[in-house]
Amino acid sequence: GNSVTQMEGPVTLSEEAFLTINCTYTATGYPSLFWYVQYPGEGLQLLLKATKADDKGSNKGFEATYRKETTSFHLEKGSVQVSDSAVYFCALSDLQGAQKLVFGQGTRLTINP
Amino acid sequence: NAGVTQTPKFRILKIGQSMTLQCTQDMNHNYMYWYRQDPGMGLKLIYYSVGAGITDKGEVPNGYNVSRSTTEDFPLRLELAAPSQTSVYFCASSYPGTEFSGYTFGSGTRLTVV
Repeated sequence: GNSVTQMEGPVTLSEEAFLTINCTYTATGYPSLFWYVQYPGEGLQLLLKATKADDKGSNKGFEATYRKETTSFHLEKGSVQVSDSAVYFCALSDLQGAQKLVFGQGTRLTINP
Repeated sequence: NAGVTQTPKFRILKIGQSMTLQCTQDMNHNYMYWYRQDPGMGLKLIYYSVGAGITDKGEVPNGYNVSRSTTEDFPLRLELAAPSQTSVYFCASSYPGTEFSGYTFGSGTRLTVV
């Protein structure tokens, strides 16, 4: 079945550092890929998405490129801020039937000033 | 723009008690979902629905029941609460179609079973 594997956390960085959170997936066909962010005490919010190979999703300075050859969708940001501290989830959907999302385990990111 | 509304936000149950977690969306989304989030485990799908009167089991349905009598509402029922059901529960909705853009999530219900 479909699955998503994220890099283990927690990740702690200093402000203005470069961020990479790795995400790889296993799926049949051509899934859509997503990154969600969860701020403390809140629900998940869609951060960015990509629907086909070589697509780049971007939002709020974050980027991720759909790499079919390596089955990866790594999240990057060039200069992180304290306000980026949150839990980040990679997810996929094969868009079949009920469009169910399969999530990775989440990566907790803490940015220190 | 209420989006997806979940109630209550917090609840403590004793073992064997029952409760219903409420979920309402005002976006006319056909698809709705219930997930549970355990620490370090990501989100696991409990039940989902593709429209009023249609529900189906997800990955971890045991101990739960759902109903979907209207497009707007998708309550989750716990009949005999167990400590293993201590978790954070999220309801979500989406609109079907070729331009699927992911889910809209509620803010969650934190449930503790003691």
